[in-house]
Order: sequence, then structure tokens, then C-alpha cells
Amino acid sequence: QSALTQPASVSGSPGQSITISCTGTSSDVGGYNFVSWYQQYSGKAPKLIIYNVSSRPSGVSNRFSGSKSGNTASLTISGLQAEDEADYYCSSYTTSSARLFGTGTKVTVL
Amino acid sequence: QVHLVESGGGVVQPERSLRLSCAASGFTFSTYALHWVRQAPGKGLEWVALISYDGTNKYYADSVKGRFTISRDNSKNTLFLQMNSLRLEDTAVYYCARGGHFVEAKAVDYWGQGAMVTVSS
Repeated sequence: QSALTQPASVSGSPGQSITISCTGTSSDVGGYNFVSWYQQYSGKAPKLIIYNVSSRPSGVSNRFSGSKSGNTASLTISGLQAEDEADYYCSSYTTSSARLFGTGTKVTVL
Repeated sequence: QVHLVESGGGVVQPERSLRLSCAASGFTFSTYALHWVRQAPGKGLEWVALISYDGTNKYYADSVKGRFTISRDNSKNTLFLQMNSLRLEDTAVYYCARGGHFVEAKAVDYWGQGAMVTVSS
């Protein structure tokens, strides 16, 4: 049960778009469309922002979008804003019915 | 709205036990799978365990298998995590989280605020 691989950090200027990758295997990310993304501010509980690869919960900004290709899922944040500065985690269902989280990515708005 | 409140955290010595509880409200508790997820200080999220909506199916991370037990009481809208043989590396904030509606594979959508567990001699 190794964690999914994410870049440690991604940065961008306000208004730009950034993409965070999440790489797994055919036993998790590549095998199911149950990939989700979470936003976490320091000292706070995570918040769901994408589920089922590309669906957004009600109330989540449409600046957040998700996609998947093979064993890699991606989260794109468009029109980057200062409030987007946070940690982001991907998660996937696995063949053993367990869950895996990604290593986490710190997003910095320059 | 959905509300999850963890309790039972604290400081415990290695090899001792601790039981976490999670009181839920704002949704039909007995129809949702539930998870425990933890986060060590300064580290990322780690999935710990999952229990199906009716308690029939339980799944664990390899790191806690054989030491931790997840359970639920649908009559009291409460989720539990019994943690035995605790190790220093179990030190973390433990989050209770709601999973799928009847379907175990669906994403965690709501999280509690977490309970801190510190394992220290």
C-alpha cells in the first residue's frame, strides 16, 4: 500500500492555471474512476473538491477540474487566487477495497 | 448539515490501548460507509480503516491491521476505532470521515475536525 505520487510543490501567479498530477498503478488510479481530490488548509480538516475523477460537489468553484489518463489523475486550478494556497491530496479506491492517498502537494500563489 | 465529532484522543504510552469515538448527525447514519483517516504531525493523509454501512465489511491499512478495529453502532449514530498495541508512529490527528451511500468505493465527502492521539513514553 504505497502512497500515490504527487509533486511536493506547485506554484503560480494569480490568474494563471496550474496542474497537479497524481500517479498510481492499474490497481488503483488506473483501474477505477473513483479518484477524488481534497483541499486542506493548515490546521484544518480536508475538504472534498473533486470526486469520481472529474465531478465537483455542490458549492465548489468551477475553477477546479479533474481528469485522468491511464494511471495518472490530474487536478487543474484555473484563474489561480490567493485563497487557493493550501495543500492538495488525491485519493483512489484500490483493488483490495482500501483507499490510498497521495503524498500531497503544497500550492503557493506567488 | 453533516456533522462528525471525534472524541477519545489523548496521550498514551507505547503498547497501551485507546478507543476513539465519532458522533454523527445530519444524515442517515446507517446508510453510509465510514472511514478513519490519520495525519501525523507535518505529514500527509493516511487512510486507516473503512466499515460498510451495515458493519458487515471492514478493511484496514497494512500499518494497523491486527492492532486496530473499526466498528459502529447504528442505533447510536456512532463510529469507533479501538487501537491496541499503540506505537510511536501511530501519533497523529485521527479524522472520522463519511464515505459512500451504501457503496463502499465512493469518495469520502465529509470530515470531522479530528482527535489528536499522542503515543509517548
